[in-house]
Amino acid sequence: EAQVTQNPRYLITVTGKKLTVTCSQNMNHEYMSWYRQDPGLGLRQIYYSMNVEVTDKGDVPEGYKVSRKEKRNFPLILESPSPNQTSLYFCASSLGPGGLTYGYTFGSGTRLTVV
Amino acid sequence: KNEVEQSPQNLTAQEGEFITINCSYSVGISALHWLQQHPGGGIVSLFMLSSGKKKHGRLIATINIQEKHSSLHITASHPRDSAVYICAVSERSNFGNEKLTFGTGTRLTIIP
Repeated sequence: EAQVTQNPRYLITVTGKKLTVTCSQNMNHEYMSWYRQDPGLGLRQIYYSMNVEVTDKGDVPEGYKVSRKEKRNFPLILESPSPNQTSLYFCASSLGPGGLTYGYTFGSGTRLTVV
Repeated sequence: KNEVEQSPQNLTAQEGEFITINCSYSVGISALHWLQQHPGGGIVSLFMLSSGKKKHGRLIATINIQEKHSSLHITASHPRDSAVYICAVSERSNFGNEKLTFGTGTRLTIIP
């Protein structure tokens, strides 16, 4: 089944304790992206990757890191989480960009609470 | 920066009613997406369109590029249609990145 797999689904952590949220896709998609969703603000892009070893900042990158060493994996790293990073996080992938716009497949989400 | 506005923010309707959710955006786009988010939180892509109209079952999406406006219609609505519907627009930069800008969503509740 074609899918984007995020882990964990739920995570409660303490301020300052490094964590990684994993994202993996099995569709050979070139484009992957991370978003956070907050009430009243909608979804906002954190980082994106157009291909292996090619990553760049989205709208709200502060406090986050990413890497794209393999095409299928795009982990989100919080080196020193803070309470304002409490949010619902989504990873998504797309075949593109490649000059055309393709549909997106989203992961199931990771609800992160930083206390 | 593209501004994406959805209306209404909340919509409650009786089962069987015809539903319309609207989305407008401020800057030209490469495509518009309609997404569905169920109470469990997962997001499913319903439509991607750059012109005209698409239909899938009881769902119909239309877009008017000149007016920068799209609508999502649900015919014969059912309680299982209760979800948050999110409009998102794709913009392509000169560097090849494609950026999604999202509306804040319309919460639809269908009462049996």
